[in-house]
This record gives sequence, structure tokens and C-alpha cells, in this order.
Amino acid sequence: SYVLTQPPSVSVAPGNTARITCGGNNIGSKTVIWYQQKPGQAPVVAINYHTDRPSGIPERFSGSNSGNTAALTITRVEAGDEADYYCQVWDSDNYWVFGGGTKLTVL
Amino acid sequence: QVQLLQSGAEVKRPGASVKVSCKTSGYTFTDAYIHWVRQAPGQGLEWMGRINPESGGTNTARQFQGRLTMTGDTSITTAFMELSRLKPDDTAIYYCARSLFSVPATDSWLDPWGQGSLVTVSS
Repeated sequence: SYVLTQPPSVSVAPGNTARITCGGNNIGSKTVIWYQQKPGQAPVVAINYHTDRPSGIPERFSGSNSGNTAALTITRVEAGDEADYYCQVWDSDNYWVFGGGTKLTVL
Repeated sequence: QVQLLQSGAEVKRPGASVKVSCKTSGYTFTDAYIHWVRQAPGQGLEWMGRINPESGGTNTARQFQGRLTMTGDTSITTAFMELSRLKPDDTAIYYCARSLFSVPATDSWLDPWGQGSLVTVSS
């Protein structure tokens, strides 16, 4: 089965840059989707189809993907960015696969 | 705008079945897949399966094969998920979400999501 590995937590001070990683075997050959989930809410797409940002997602959010690691980078972090973030890929054996999620804490 | 509205919370005994509905609006029901994803308390997201409402064809995650039934009713633009032989660790919030036919599966994303339906399995 295809496994996506995320750090359980990332902490960052307001105004700094947060980088949330998502590891997987040759993940650079796949499209990685990122979701943001705030407490008590359903997930929303933060980055889709390689690195595109859906409407409503600030330009401060960007995605990258190479080799065995994909990353979601959030610049000039704000208190409102505090949430759980999940990466997701499609795999021919397992279909839609999610990472375990990363809790972003804004200090 | 596109909306997915799910049915309410359910409490079930172990061994029972649960059926959750997902009423869609704001787009053509037969132009997109409906996926089901669950999230156990304090845990991450787990993809369960998807249905093509136009053909009725489904894809199911290996761990749910034989227990998960997904259907769609085009007359009321509503998708349904039924999970049978429930166990306590099936306690979770169950979400429906949409992905477009026009985007290949390899690149597809789930958007939007329903508000979630809490299913509690307890004796």
C-alpha cells in the first residue's frame, strides 16, 4: 500500500514561514492535493492539481513536490492559519490516499 | 453555489447497519463523482470509496469491501452510503465530497465536502 508520512505537528510564530512536509515513495511523480481542516469543520482544498490555489486561499499558500517529498509552505503565517493540514494523492492500488495530518500551531 | 448537505447524527448497536445521505445542489449531479471519507475522533482522514452517479459504478477501498454500499438517486440528486456489520471502531464523522469527471483521477481533488455525519457505534 502507498503510505504518505506527515509530521504530527508544526509550530511557527506569527509572521514567519511554515513548511509542512508529506513524504512518499517517488511522490514527485504524483499530483499532491493539500487540505486545510479547522476545528469542527469539514476539510477544504488549500492546493489542488500540482500547485494551484483555489479561490479563497491566500497567495501566502504554495505547494512544491520533488523526489520523495512534497511540501505546503505558508508565508507570513497568521493566527487564522492554525488548522490541521492533510496531503492526498491518487494511487493505482489504493485509490485516494491521505497523509496522517499535521497540526499547525501558531505560537 | 455547489452544496452537499448530509443527514444527521446516528447511534447504532454493534452489528447493525447505518445509511447516510448526501443531498447535492448547485451542479449537475451526473457530472461528478461522490466520494465518502471518514474521520474517527481525533484521527485523520480515511478514504472509503466513490460512486459515479451516472453509471452507478463504484470503487471501494480494500478495507471496506463487502461492508460498504454506495448508491445514488438521480431523481433527488442524492447519494447514499451504507456501512454494515458496524463495530465500535467505526465510530467516526462520515463525509461526502465531490470530484469532477473532467479531471483525471490522478489529479483529482475533493471539493466541496459535506458538513459531516457523526455515526456512533456503541452497545
